[in-house]
Amino acid sequence: QVQLQESGPGPVKPSQTLSLTCSVSGGSIGSDGSYWTWIRQHPGKGLEWIGYIYYRGATYYNPSLKSRVTISQDSSKNQFSLKVRSVTAADTAVYYCARGDPYTSGSHIDYWGQGTLVTVSS
Amino acid sequence: QSALTQPASVSGSPGQSITISCTGTSSDVGGYNYVSWYQQYPGKVPKLMIYDVSERPSGVSHRFSGSKSGNTASLTISGLQAEDEADYYCSSYTSSATVVFGGGTKLTVL
Repeated sequence: QVQLQESGPGPVKPSQTLSLTCSVSGGSIGSDGSYWTWIRQHPGKGLEWIGYIYYRGATYYNPSLKSRVTISQDSSKNQFSLKVRSVTAADTAVYYCARGDPYTSGSHIDYWGQGTLVTVSS
Repeated sequence: QSALTQPASVSGSPGQSITISCTGTSSDVGGYNYVSWYQQYPGKVPKLMIYDVSERPSGVSHRFSGSKSGNTASLTISGLQAEDEADYYCSSYTSSATVVFGGGTKLTVL
């Protein structure tokens, strides 16, 4: 059973960088073939796929966010991270870390974190 | 990538069947059998209901089924129950090796 838990520093000011970390248990970041994924949901809105990192370190991003987003992994800590640069109020959302299924190119999510609300405000 | 197109809302009475559509392009829904459906209650984490167009994860009711024709996928819920009232999202793998979600559909059980 894979478990994921998001963590982050709390509110972020406009123009700064949003940073979140996802701690994984029951799965191995660096070796099990999973697609470690970030998804967000604006308040009262739908789901938005941000991107994922494959266990070999390859990353794929939503084209609309690609210029501002970086996903990285720390296999030694079994964690992966999200950075969103130059944030605005439009980046206020619940951010989920999740596992994309390893057998279908990460096309579906079988395990989710609980989600963390990140507010961008001055 | 553009979001997949879903109806904003659908409704049905208990016991009835409803279908939610999810329309994309040949670069996503039409090009791969990697369409998934998620159920989300307010304030809760989404739950996978269907993957690979029509596969059900263990524990998901047989009342939920999925299908695809061309660039449109569908989720059908039969024998509608009050507990099915939730938001439903489709997603698809894309030709860019990314994933795209639909805008979501609010299901109301009358």
